Amino acid sequence: SQTIHQWPATLVQPVGSPLSLECTVEGTSNPNLYWYRQAAGRGLQLLFYSVGIGQISSEVPQNLSASRPQDRQFILSSKKLLLSDSGFYLCAWGDSDYQPQHFGDGTRLSIL
Amino acid sequence: AQSVTQPDIHITVSEGASLELRCNYSYGATPYLFWYVQSPGQGLQLLLKYFSGDTLVQGIKGFEAEFKRSQSSFNLRKPSVHWSDAAEYFCAVGASSGSARQLTFGSGTQLTVLP
Repeated sequence: SQTIHQWPATLVQPVGSPLSLECTVEGTSNPNLYWYRQAAGRGLQLLFYSVGIGQISSEVPQNLSASRPQDRQFILSSKKLLLSDSGFYLCAWGDSDYQPQHFGDGTRLSIL
Repeated sequence: AQSVTQPDIHITVSEGASLELRCNYSYGATPYLFWYVQSPGQGLQLLLKYFSGDTLVQGIKGFEAEFKRSQSSFNLRKPSVHWSDAAEYFCAVGASSGSARQLTFGSGTQLTVLP
């Protein structure tokens, strides 16, 4: 069966520090991969999605970036975090024909 | 572009009572529709989805939802709520075409269950 792993579960970082969040999927090939952010008390905002290795589409201009170095690995990065980057980050995957249907457990990011 | 509205920010029901969470969508064609549940500090779990066919969809944990095209709605229902159902519920709509079918989420409905 397919599984999705996301780490770390929680992260506290100072303003201006770099960021790297990792997501891996097992049990499937060539998935569509997604990064979402969920601000407190709000819905989910799509940040990036990828349909294949090295293919990244950005939905919201920001100081975050994403990379997909391997078929089932999706990384969310930043060179310098802002206070506004605080939130709950969720990785998700979906079959090539369908929307993201499976979510990771999320990373709670707090910026100090 | 698609959009989703969940008109109820917060709903409180007693354990054993019936539940209906509302969801209205906007999309130019037949949409793909989803309901997710999120417990505090956790990711989202898919409850059910509608792609085509029977407009009454059965999901996990005793939930069902009905797609009503004329009302642009996809309301979630459960006949008898359990205390463990307390969580936040998200409706989402996806495009039925396109290269990387993205989801647009509603802002969520927080469900509180009274003993």
